[in-house]
Amino acid sequence: AQSVSQHNHHVILSEAASLELGCNYSYGGTVNLFWYVQYPGQHLQLLLKYFSGDPLVKGIKGFEAEFIKSKFSFNLRKPSVQWSDTAEYFCAVNRAGGYNKLIFGAGTRLAVHP
Amino acid sequence: DSGVTQTPKHLITATGQRVTLRCSPRSGDLSVYWYQQSLDQGLQFLIQYYNGEERAKGNILERFSAQQFPDLHSELNLSSLELGDSALYFCASSGDSYNEQFFGPGTRLTVL
Repeated sequence: AQSVSQHNHHVILSEAASLELGCNYSYGGTVNLFWYVQYPGQHLQLLLKYFSGDPLVKGIKGFEAEFIKSKFSFNLRKPSVQWSDTAEYFCAVNRAGGYNKLIFGAGTRLAVHP
Repeated sequence: DSGVTQTPKHLITATGQRVTLRCSPRSGDLSVYWYQQSLDQGLQFLIQYYNGEERAKGNILERFSAQQFPDLHSELNLSSLELGDSALYFCASSGDSYNEQFFGPGTRLTVL
């Protein structure tokens, strides 16, 4: 069965610090990978996605993620966080090939202090 | 704004009651997904419809049911509600095979 593991449940950073959130997935076939962000009281928004091609993908708001197939990982990074990045971040995966459900990780709550 | 709308935004009801949550997908999207977000279970897939037909089922209780109508909007029906059904229910829609799903603002259900 597919599963997604996010290593950090809570992360606290100061502004301008670098961020890396870990995500590993378990699935034997070809997958699509996503990072979603949920700001306090809001709905899920897509940060970035990987379907195929260049394993380093860039998303909105300065976020990027690297797909390492051999490690089944899709870690999220940002070189310099801002207070406005305070949110919960979800890694998600689904089976490639069309209209498939998303399997989410447990989420990582990020708090950025000014 | 993702283009996916959900009503109502908040719902407070009592145990044993039945409620209906409504979702309108983005214009042209044929696939609708329902997810439940709770503190103990996280984000869980419930059920998916594609062009009116049920396509996949996840961790959906028998007390819950859904349907997608010819105009592609979807409804999630929750019956015999229990305290543990209190959660945020999200609807998402997708319009292409790459599965980028766009989420609605959610309905927060509180069962007292």
